[in-house]
Order: sequence, then structure tokens, then C-alpha cells
Amino acid sequence: EAGVAQSPRYKIIEKRQSVAFWCNPISGHATLYWYQQILGQGPKLLIQFQNNGVVDDSQLPKDRFSAERLKGVDSTLKIQPAKLEDSAVYLCASSTAGDYGYTFGSGTRLTVV
Amino acid sequence: KNQVEQSPQSLIILEGKNCTLQCNYTVSPFSNLRWYKQDTGRGPVSLTIMTFSENTKSNGRYTATLDADTKQSSLHITASQLSDSASYICVVGYYGQNFVFGPGTRLSVLP
Repeated sequence: EAGVAQSPRYKIIEKRQSVAFWCNPISGHATLYWYQQILGQGPKLLIQFQNNGVVDDSQLPKDRFSAERLKGVDSTLKIQPAKLEDSAVYLCASSTAGDYGYTFGSGTRLTVV
Repeated sequence: KNQVEQSPQSLIILEGKNCTLQCNYTVSPFSNLRWYKQDTGRGPVSLTIMTFSENTKSNGRYTATLDADTKQSSLHITASQLSDSASYICVVGYYGQNFVFGPGTRLSVLP
């Protein structure tokens, strides 16, 4: 079974620039999550999709972050404009009903300079 | 409030030694508890998963225990190796596809 795919693996941008991350979940997984993990901290949920609908985006900074999941499969997370404090690893995970827990992708490490 | 606490925050041990990491939670209604290993800059990888009826689960040198009455779990690592250096995260699932993350324990194994 293929895992959760994420790209790019690393990204360095200047503050005020824009960046986008891509996630391809495990085939058949209806639920997709985006997490932000700042160095030394646990992951923080940014947004949760159920198919192509948003279940929870209460912690998504909507003034600069946006996410979409067209057709209920792939998802993109965008930051515009980026700030220094956005430097973190962005993790995508997917799960399916009856699944105890979920599977993470390898993450995208973002550095904003 | 649903919370997961982990201790210690960080731990340094010598290669070959054993260690135990702790997880306490106040998550309700409890569904499952999972331990993840996360190497620096990488996504977490699942080590063990336990539901309410399970009180121990092993995966090689990793053994997790669960006491649902006291809402505590532990992860025991036997005969540690340098590659065990990582963060270990306790994640508790509740009410469908909802999860609460612990802050993690940073383990360093020295030669």
C-alpha cells in the first residue's frame, strides 16, 4: 500500500512570498489532515477534510493560510504571504472510517527567511 | 478539556540501556491510543496502537502498555540503539476521527 505522499520535501522562501504544499493521501482514505509542527512542539491541526468538505479549520490562520481538496483526493495548502513564524514542518495525514489513528506523510520543511 | 501529557520532556540514555516513556490523558470518550516515533524533520511513524480492551502491545523492542482505568500509558524501549534517537509522541483518539497529540518526549541515545 502506497503511503501518504507530500511535496516538496523542503522549501526556503523569503517572508511575504507565497508557497504551496501538495498532499496525496492513501487511496480510499476519506479524511485528510494538515498539521503544522514547529520545532520542539507537537503537531497542531490546521484543517481536517472529510472527502472534499471541511470538518475543522478552527486553528487555520485564514488571513494567510488556505487549503482545498478538490474531488476529495489530493489537497493543497497555501500560505500567502509567509511570515517568519510560519517556519515549521507541514504534515499531511489521512485516515479512513474504522481506522484507529492515521498515516502521516514525510512532511514539508518550510524555512522562511 | 481533552489533553495528553507526556513525561519526561527529554531523556538521554546510553546505547543498550532500557527506558520507559509515560503518557497520561484526559480524553473522553476514549477510543484508542497510539505511540508514534518521529525522526527530526520527518513525519511520525506508528509504533503501536491499542484500543480500550488491550493493555499491552509489542512491536519488536517497543512495548506499550495501557491502563484505561487510570488513563495512563507507557512505552518501554528495550536494548536501545542509536537509531532510537527521536521524538516519541502519544496520540489519543476519541469520538470518530478525532485525535489529541501529546507534546512528545525527545529521546537521545548516546554511544
